[in-house]
Amino acid sequence: AQRVTQPEKLLSVFKGAPVELKCNYSYSGSPELFWYVQYSRQRLQLLLRHISRESIKGFTADLNKGETSFHLKKPFAQEEDSAMYYCALSGEKLVFGQGTRLTINP
Amino acid sequence: NAGVTQTPKFQVLKTGQSMTLQCAQDMNHEYMSWYRQDPGMGLRLIHYSVGAGITDQGEVPNGYNVSRSTTEDFPLRLLSAAPSQTSVYFCASSYSNRVVGYTFGSGTRLTVV
Repeated sequence: AQRVTQPEKLLSVFKGAPVELKCNYSYSGSPELFWYVQYSRQRLQLLLRHISRESIKGFTADLNKGETSFHLKKPFAQEEDSAMYYCALSGEKLVFGQGTRLTINP
Repeated sequence: NAGVTQTPKFQVLKTGQSMTLQCAQDMNHEYMSWYRQDPGMGLRLIHYSVGAGITDQGEVPNGYNVSRSTTEDFPLRLLSAAPSQTSVYFCASSYSNRVVGYTFGSGTRLTVV
């Protein structure tokens, strides 16, 4: 079975501070992992994919198969990063974690 | 390209009524999915399709039906609405179930009273 766990429902940090949003997954096959972001009153957007090893808006995420994790990180948070973040696992289908609401305080 | 289009954007139903949420994409994507978004629950997969004529159940399929007669359209039917189906519904599509990621519609906010 595919399962994604985001242990933090809410995360609040100050502007300029580092941010880490946690994601753990369970899947017996070879996982494809994604981070999606939903800004206020907007649709979900793909933020980044583990396979491309890219940095988008200063965010990075590394797949750790040993720890079955795909944490999202940014060294210096900005106020515009405030949003809902979802980790997702694509195997037979795309399933999401519960989401983390990130708030960046000025 | 319109992307993924969902209609209606808002709907209020009475318990027991039926309705269909429409989803259409113009990107020739094979993969399409329906999710519901509830506070604290994240996005939960209702039904998905890997191509025209092929559908399967997700995590929370009860109370919902789908069909995929064309590549473009993937309607979600509520046969007898219940207050527990009050939610925001998102449709999404992709040409690959894995590498690329999905494109989402803007959502339908459904209230069942």
